[in-house]
Amino acid sequence: KAGVTQTPRYLIKTRGQQVTLSCSPISGHRSVSWYQQTPGQGLQFLFEYFSETQRNKGNFPGRFSGRQFSNSRSEMNVSTLELGDSALYLCASSLEVEQFFGPGTRLTVL
Amino acid sequence: AQSVTQLGSHVSVSEGALVLLRCNYSSSVPPYLFWYVQYPNQGLQLLLKYTTGATLVKGINGFEAEFKKSETSFHLTKPSAHMSDAAEYFCAVSPGPNDYKLSFGAGTTVTVRA
Repeated sequence: KAGVTQTPRYLIKTRGQQVTLSCSPISGHRSVSWYQQTPGQGLQFLFEYFSETQRNKGNFPGRFSGRQFSNSRSEMNVSTLELGDSALYLCASSLEVEQFFGPGTRLTVL
Repeated sequence: AQSVTQLGSHVSVSEGALVLLRCNYSSSVPPYLFWYVQYPNQGLQLLLKYTTGATLVKGINGFEAEFKKSETSFHLTKPSAHMSDAAEYFCAVSPGPNDYKLSFGAGTTVTVRA
């Protein structure tokens, strides 16, 4: 079975721009979660989608949003980028308890 | 609310020596506990998990962990370190079934000396 895929792997943006990251879960997995990883704050939960509905949300500003499509693929969007948004963004898909992580998208904001 | 504390941000061990990574959690409900490993420029890989049942959990690559409710701990061990164990390790907790929000510890970087 193919693993979780994330595109793009690397991204460079400037302050004020917006960005969209994509995640394709493992076939059959209906839950997709997003995490932000930074050296200062570590791994933080952004949100989780299940069957196209946001089921859980972390403590991030409204500039961070996401959605899930009927095929379980998910996207997250960050608007009005700030320097502090530079991070590794990880997507994870789940069937039951276990979460399977993708390789991440490295976002650099200049 | 759940939280995780990993004691020691860096651990250095000799090849063949015991690896011990410490994790303590706080949770208002019986938690699900996980250990993940991250190699440079990669995502997270699950080493092992505890949900219910046997408190000694065996995972991949020779790792195991023991859930001790009285000590609110879930320490990770491996009897004999290998060079390939050099990576960053994360302990995580989730509230339980159907709640996939993971709360992670700050991570422990393991260095293996030849």
